[in-house]
Amino acid sequence: DVKVTQSSRYLVKRTGEKVFLECVQDMDHENMFWYRQDPGLGLRLIYFSYDVKMKEKGDIPEGYSVSREKKERFSLILESASTNQTSMYLCASSSLNRVGAYNEQFFGPGTRLTVL
Amino acid sequence: LAKTTQPISMDSYEGQEVNITCSHNNIATNDYITWYQQFPSQGPRFIIQGYKTKVTNEVASLFIPADRKSSTLSLPRVSLSDTAVYYCLVGDINRGSTLGRLYFGRGTQLTVWP
Repeated sequence: DVKVTQSSRYLVKRTGEKVFLECVQDMDHENMFWYRQDPGLGLRLIYFSYDVKMKEKGDIPEGYSVSREKKERFSLILESASTNQTSMYLCASSSLNRVGAYNEQFFGPGTRLTVL
Repeated sequence: LAKTTQPISMDSYEGQEVNITCSHNNIATNDYITWYQQFPSQGPRFIIQGYKTKVTNEVASLFIPADRKSSTLSLPRVSLSDTAVYYCLVGDINRGSTLGRLYFGRGTQLTVWP
């Protein structure tokens, strides 16, 4: 059974702290994603990675960075957390996209981050 | 940017067919249309994906007109357990040519009543 796990379900941090959110997938997927989800706004893509050490900015990368040192692990980093980064963070992975093929994303359960 | 627009909410009764439409006027030639379902406290789960015409699987159908500027997710004979948020996703994730090309809508809250 495919699995995407996230390091924490709930996290509380203070303004200015450096925050690491970890995501691990066991499906040998090439692509990994970080989204944030806010009421009324749906899911918004923060960053995407299609290979180790490769990354692409999404719709809202400001205030975030990512790291992918191993294929199975994709980390989201908040260099200096702010209250407007309080949100649900979702990680996903998918296999390599080919024309005519699936790019179904498998999501983790999410991390609810609160920045005080 | 292929932004999507969906109704915020819909109501239905058990046993009825539900159709949720997503508008994506700026869809690009290589973009696929994918629908996801999300229950509270869970990540979204894939339902169906298509490029054009009609796609059907064991849980849903997806109708895409020739101009591909909209798509309709059809759920036959819904039950209480189909109460969830449904997201339309438009885009493609070819490596090296992505972003701005993968866009979730704001979701449609479907409530199924007894």
